[in-house]
Amino acid sequence: DAGVIQSPRHEVTEMGQEVTLRCKPISGHDYLFWYRQTMMRGLELLIYFNNNVPIDDSGMPEDRFSAKMPNASFSTLKIQPSEPRDSAVYFCASSRDRTYEQYFGPGTRLTVT
Amino acid sequence: KNEVEQSPQNLTAQEGEFITINCSYSVGISALHWLQQHPGGGIVSLFMLSSGKKKHGRLIATINIQEKHSSLHITASHPRDSAVYICAGHGGSQGNLIFGKGTKLSVKP
Repeated sequence: DAGVIQSPRHEVTEMGQEVTLRCKPISGHDYLFWYRQTMMRGLELLIYFNNNVPIDDSGMPEDRFSAKMPNASFSTLKIQPSEPRDSAVYFCASSRDRTYEQYFGPGTRLTVT
Repeated sequence: KNEVEQSPQNLTAQEGEFITINCSYSVGISALHWLQQHPGGGIVSLFMLSSGKKKHGRLIATINIQEKHSSLHITASHPRDSAVYICAGHGGSQGNLIFGKGTKLSVKP
């Protein structure tokens, strides 16, 4: 398996623009997680899905952030409108079960100017 | 107060030294992960454990559930071990991870 795939790897955008991050989990994994990493706050869970259903979105910063998982092999994290404070590395991870180890994608480095 | 605390925050060692990174947690967890993050790179899961000890090559992870403490040991450290090591606990019944701030390890040749 190719592992968790994220795209794009780097994104530079201007404040106010819409940003869409994409993730393809490992086939057969029922859990998908979106994380954000910044120097100030470290790694934070934003939202996670079980069998394509959002389970816990309490980490989503505000209404500007939304995530979807239309099928078992694809998820998106959208920021609209983007702000400079959204600049971070966004990781997607998947796992077979909630207590199993998680496999992380390479991350998307987002810069909002 | 962070629910998962790591120490030390930064660690510099000479090649060949035995290294220990500690992780303490104040919440009930069902399992604990040790993750490795190389500079500019992604995150790799090293261990997931809920009791006892696990070993993989030169890496050893231990956990004491009663004392709410886990350690990651690296034997015969090497410059390629230089990375940030993060411990994370599975919190509650939902499966989400609670992360420590990480320990930045630098191994000098």
